[in-house]
Amino acid sequence: EAGVTQFPSHSVIEKGQTVTLRCDPISGHDNLYWYRRVMGKEIKFLLHFVKESKQDESGMPNNRFLAERTGGTYSTLKVQPAELEDSGVYFCASSQDMGPTTEQYFGPGTRLTVT
Amino acid sequence: AQSVSQHNHHVILSEAASLELGCNYSYGGTVNLFWYVQYPGQHLQLLLKYFSGDPLVKGIKGFEAEFIKSKFSFNLRKPSVQWSDTAEYFCAVKAYKLSFGAGTTVTVRA
Repeated sequence: EAGVTQFPSHSVIEKGQTVTLRCDPISGHDNLYWYRRVMGKEIKFLLHFVKESKQDESGMPNNRFLAERTGGTYSTLKVQPAELEDSGVYFCASSQDMGPTTEQYFGPGTRLTVT
Repeated sequence: AQSVSQHNHHVILSEAASLELGCNYSYGGTVNLFWYVQYPGQHLQLLLKYFSGDPLVKGIKGFEAEFIKSKFSFNLRKPSVQWSDTAEYFCAVKAYKLSFGAGTTVTVRA
C-alpha cells in the first residue's frame, strides 16, 4: 500500500512569490490534514478535510494560505504571496476516519524556504 | 485548548544507555496520547499510543510509555538504546485535534 506522498520535497522561493504544495493521501482515506512545523517549534495543525469539504480550518495562519481538495482525492496548499515567516516544513497526513483514536499517517513533508 | 510540553530539546547518549523522554500535556478532558518518531530522512511514524486501559503501553522497537493521569504525563522509555534509535521524537495528544510537542532530538553514539 502506497503511503502519503507530498510534492515537492523542497521548495525555495522569494518573498512575494507563490508556491503550491501537493499531497496525495493513502487511497481510500477520506480525511486529510495539513500541518506545519516552523524550525525548532512544534508541529501545528493547519486544517482538516473530510473528502472535499473543509471540516476544520482553524489553524490556517491567514488568508495568504488556500487549501483545496477537489474531488476528495489529492489536496493542494497554496501560499500567495509568500512571506519569510512561512518558511518551515509542511506535513500532510491522512486517516480512514476522524475518530479520536484513529491513527494519522504522515507524508515526508515539504520543506519550504522563503528568502 | 490542549497543549503539549516536551522536557528536553536534545538528548545525547551512548548505546545501551536507558532513555526517558518527558511529556506533559494540558487538557482537562479525556485525551488520547501518542508518541511519533521521525528517523533521519523518513516519514513521521507512530511509535505507540494510549487510549484507555493499562497505563503502561508498549510500542514498536522496544519502546514503552506510561500514562500518569494525575501528573498529566506520558513519558517515553527504552531500557537500552541502539544507534538506530537516533531520531526526533514527538509527543502528541488528541482530544478534538492532534497537538504536538516541540520534539526531542535523540542522538545515540555508537
